[in-house]
Amino acid sequence: NAGVTQTPKFQVLKTGQSMTLQCAQDMNHNSMYWYRQDPGMGLRLIYYSASEGTTDKGEVPNGYNVSRLNKREFSLRLESAAPSQTSVYFCASTTSFYEQYFGPGTRLTVT
Amino acid sequence: DQQVKQNSPSLSVQEGRISILNCDYTNSMFDYFLWYKKYPAEGPTFLISISSIKDKNEDGRFTVFLNKSAKHLSLHIVPSQPGDSAVYFCAAADNDYKLSFGAGTTVTVRA
Repeated sequence: NAGVTQTPKFQVLKTGQSMTLQCAQDMNHNSMYWYRQDPGMGLRLIYYSASEGTTDKGEVPNGYNVSRLNKREFSLRLESAAPSQTSVYFCASTTSFYEQYFGPGTRLTVT
Repeated sequence: DQQVKQNSPSLSVQEGRISILNCDYTNSMFDYFLWYKKYPAEGPTFLISISSIKDKNEDGRFTVFLNKSAKHLSLHIVPSQPGDSAVYFCAAADNDYKLSFGAGTTVTVRA
């Protein structure tokens, strides 16, 4: 039982490049989330998927898109990376409405 | 505007003593509160939670207190141990699928 897995662990992009962050959970959770963590800002919600087939914007969605591929997988795409998107990205999932389980994170640097 | 605030970025405590972490919120619709713990290079892990219908919840060395009239909650760790050195995030939910996080408090337990 791996819980929530994220790939890649680290990534360096040049401004304007695109990439997709992958997330998968094996806990049969309905809801999945993408957060970014920046110094002094805590975790801010980018997008979430309350259930398979639905996605909604969170607090900071600009510059990102998401796909809920199936119940297990939820990907985050940066179409044209900007230095302001340098951050640590966490994926999370839950079935209990509140207690979320987090992946280990992806550290992204945009130069 | 941040709805959940942790005004102390850091806390240093001697091993065996009590650690008290504080959290304030502004949204009166929040009805469930959680504390997460995060080690470097790992994702946050759930620690303890409390519903708005309670004023105290205890789990081993960890106790969370909620003062709804003051919109304030605190986490007590007694006794503090070296393994408690981590970043602690306060989070709150308002009966939807989303959590709002504070900026975190870094706890250092001194031997």
